[in-house]
Amino acid sequence: AQKITQTQPGMFVQEKEAVTLDCTYDTSDQSYGLFWYKQPSSGEMIFLIYQGSYDEQNATEGRYSLNFQKARKSANLVISASQLGDSAMYFCAMREAGYSTLTFGKGTMLLVSP
Amino acid sequence: EAQVTQNPRYLITVTGKKLTVTCSQNMNHEYMSWYRQDPGLGLRQIYYSMNVEVTDKGDVPEGYKVSRKEKRNFPLILESPSPNQTSLYFCASSHTLAPSSYEQYFGPGTRLTVT
Repeated sequence: AQKITQTQPGMFVQEKEAVTLDCTYDTSDQSYGLFWYKQPSSGEMIFLIYQGSYDEQNATEGRYSLNFQKARKSANLVISASQLGDSAMYFCAMREAGYSTLTFGKGTMLLVSP
Repeated sequence: EAQVTQNPRYLITVTGKKLTVTCSQNMNHEYMSWYRQDPGLGLRQIYYSMNVEVTDKGDVPEGYKVSRKEKRNFPLILESPSPNQTSLYFCASSHTLAPSSYEQYFGPGTRLTVT
């Protein structure tokens, strides 16, 4: 079974609108971390936001927030006020306790139109 | 500046010609890893290293070798490249077994084409 599932291969949003990128995960560990990375067309991997499994509040970083629903095992990324520069591939990833390995989803391509 | 560097950034080679992609980090990280990225598959781990002289296979190790003789360097070796190894390769590093909040730092990527 996949550990990280991103069900949206592509998403379209208009500039200045909010968008939610879905991510569900599978783990039996109690301690884990969830990450979102952005990959623009230039190819580099840019860290966006982190959520720990014991964090009680949803993580936020500027226009990015992580909607963490532990019981549903979901960690959706919310981008508020989309900008043209947000057009990129977005990856959700998980790191389980005691392991340094990141397991990635297959990604969601986000296109922001004017 | 804290960073992970990879060389070369782009490489076109022929089947069977041995090549090495270098990776170096300046953050004194214990953990280093190689991923390959293919369309529709996301990033998949090839090999990782928990510290000097300690390496282990990831999800897709066939056709690759690694070594970790120094803490800062973690080269990826393709002894006999084949076209199915055409991919975008990333090196990453982080502290080992640290609190989960420690992010992995990624190199800029190496785009390899094997003809």
